[in-house]
Amino acid sequence: DIQMTQSPSSLSASVGDRVTITCRASQSIGYYLNWYQQKPGKAPKLLMFGASSLQSGVPSRFSGRGSGTDFTLTISSLQPEDFATYYCQQSYSIPYTFGQGTKLDI
Amino acid sequence: QVTVKESGPALVKPTQTLTLTCTFSGFSLSTSGIRVSWIRQPPGKALEWLARIDWDDDEFYSTSLRTRLTISKDTSKNQVVLRMSNMDPVDTATYYCALISDGSGYPYFHYWGQGTLVTVSS
Repeated sequence: DIQMTQSPSSLSASVGDRVTITCRASQSIGYYLNWYQQKPGKAPKLLMFGASSLQSGVPSRFSGRGSGTDFTLTISSLQPEDFATYYCQQSYSIPYTFGQGTKLDI
Repeated sequence: QVTVKESGPALVKPTQTLTLTCTFSGFSLSTSGIRVSWIRQPPGKALEWLARIDWDDDEFYSTSLRTRLTISKDTSKNQVVLRMSNMDPVDTATYYCALISDGSGYPYFHYWGQGTLVTVSS
């Protein structure tokens, strides 16, 4: 199985901050990397697919980069609604695997 | 418009078999390219992928849980069913069903149900 490791596990930030979350795969996954946002009590919501493609309706302050084993999700200017937990997920091979999550709070 | 809804028991006893149903609308499970997965999330923990079934009945399972899982579909009802045997308290989690879509050839979990919380306790 491909292991996905996110860092940091938690992050404190303020409205207007620029934040970056890192995700590392245990082997090369090309661009097969997705990012999800999850708020308490809700299902995850897709933010990015293919490492850098923004899902329709997602604000442009979210951006993704990377390929191979190292990926980042950046929020350019944090808004109050961005405080949530973020997960990366590889779709390169089955079994699909998720990172352990990054909790972003104030 | 695609909708996804999970259903099943809220409480199961240890050693019992869990049966969860995912009901879809807005598309047909028999349509070529359709893929559906189950994903779970223990309270306060990370997401864990469990299984996938495709429009052509191909099945795929989590490495660690494959001996306990069975995924199936009923095209006439537009439902996907997940069975997990020998339930244990560590299987307590919210179970999600999700429809997989492709963006430029990259699969992702696009449409999610609201999840159903299953507690395993005697």
